[in-house]
Amino acid sequence: DTAVSQTPKYLVTQMGNDKSIKCEQNLGHDTMYWYKQDSKKFLKIMFSYNNKELIINETVPNRFSPKSPDKAHLNLHINSLELGDSAVYFCASSRGGGGAGIQYFGAGTRLSVL
Amino acid sequence: GENVEQHPSTLSVQEGDSAVIKCTYSDSASNYFPWYKQELGKRPQLIIDIRSNVGEKKDQRIAVTLNKTAKHFSLHITETQPEDSAVYFCAPYSGGGADGLTFGKGTHLIIQP
Repeated sequence: DTAVSQTPKYLVTQMGNDKSIKCEQNLGHDTMYWYKQDSKKFLKIMFSYNNKELIINETVPNRFSPKSPDKAHLNLHINSLELGDSAVYFCASSRGGGGAGIQYFGAGTRLSVL
Repeated sequence: GENVEQHPSTLSVQEGDSAVIKCTYSDSASNYFPWYKQELGKRPQLIIDIRSNVGEKKDQRIAVTLNKTAKHFSLHITETQPEDSAVYFCAPYSGGGADGLTFGKGTHLIIQP
């Protein structure tokens, strides 16, 4: 079974649309993350979330919002999509915070904004 | 926040030779030093990590060395093989609580046959 799964794998949409990417982990981890990887392969943290707090990277536009219906899910909502949002978005999870050990990544969602 | 520099950005080595990638960081409070490997079109995966109380760690052909005084750590791959071709990221960690990793810009390792 896939440890961290995200859907869809590919997402093509028009500028101005609103879209969501779903993420689920079956590892029993208490912390989940969203990362953005741009065309130059730079991998940047967007959000981290456990049941106590949401930490937001200050560079992330407020058009992006994570939503966690329960401990195993952290979905990413994006409003008013822009061309610059085109990237691969990775969900990840870990037991404990960033320095606690291994982060397990999902397979990524390639978002193309036309 | 942590400033992370990774060198080189691209490294081409002959199959069977060794490869070394260096990562420098700014935050002296950093205490966890992982390396992730990302093959083309795949997800990043942890390959080795080290904590600040250890100077070196080895796992078969890969090793990580840490110099806390100079604030850098390095990934060493010996007897390189075609499947080592990938992008490698360092991600020194200094925060506490539920925050993510600050990745270096990546090193594209190319193994020449």
